[in-house]
Amino acid sequence: ETGVTQTPRHLVMGMTNKKSLKCEQHLGHNAMYWYKQSAKKPLELMFVYSLEERVENNSVPSRFSPECPNSSHLFLHLHTLQPEDSALYLCASSQDRATHYGYTFGSGTRLTVV
Amino acid sequence: ILNVEQSPQSLHVQEGDSTNFTCSFPSSNFYALHWYRWETAKSPEALFVMTLNGDEKKKGRISATLNTKEGYSYLYIKGSQPEDSATYLCAPNGATNKLIFGTGTLLAVQP
Repeated sequence: ETGVTQTPRHLVMGMTNKKSLKCEQHLGHNAMYWYKQSAKKPLELMFVYSLEERVENNSVPSRFSPECPNSSHLFLHLHTLQPEDSALYLCASSQDRATHYGYTFGSGTRLTVV
Repeated sequence: ILNVEQSPQSLHVQEGDSTNFTCSFPSSNFYALHWYRWETAKSPEALFVMTLNGDEKKKGRISATLNTKEGYSYLYIKGSQPEDSATYLCAPNGATNKLIFGTGTLLAVQP
């Protein structure tokens, strides 16, 4: 375990469903991130939170809605997704947004939209 | 947006071989370069964070060098072992800690 826990590990949902992905860290980190990895593509940054405030939304469609209720938890709420949204969703955290801190990643949620 | 290229895309070597791969990135607005190792079904694991031109870092049999003026970094693995099989990702970042990842180099080490 890396210290960043993601649940569920796997999720299958219909296009009309609403579901949420959860990420939790107790490393004392102040920044948290959502990344998406689609097949044959690099990790794609979706959202950045710093001290519970969203500081970046990387042109992500509104059917993805992040929430950071406190510095230890990050959610990604999903609704009316499309099959092309099927991907691995990774959460990461870092000490803060300074440039030299590496990320600690979770193991990801494998999402399949049917 | 930084354009990050990694080569080769994949690499198959025999146990005991030494190998290396490349990460290329724009040299302007550079602050740091991160290397990660990502095994299948696991979390990406941080290997190195490098900031200075000419930096060289080492962790066991794995080492990395950095050239910020020409915009590249090399990752070397000496005496590859099957447990080194993974995807190796590089990610430069600019003024904020927003890592832009390459597509990675998939290394397979045959026993």
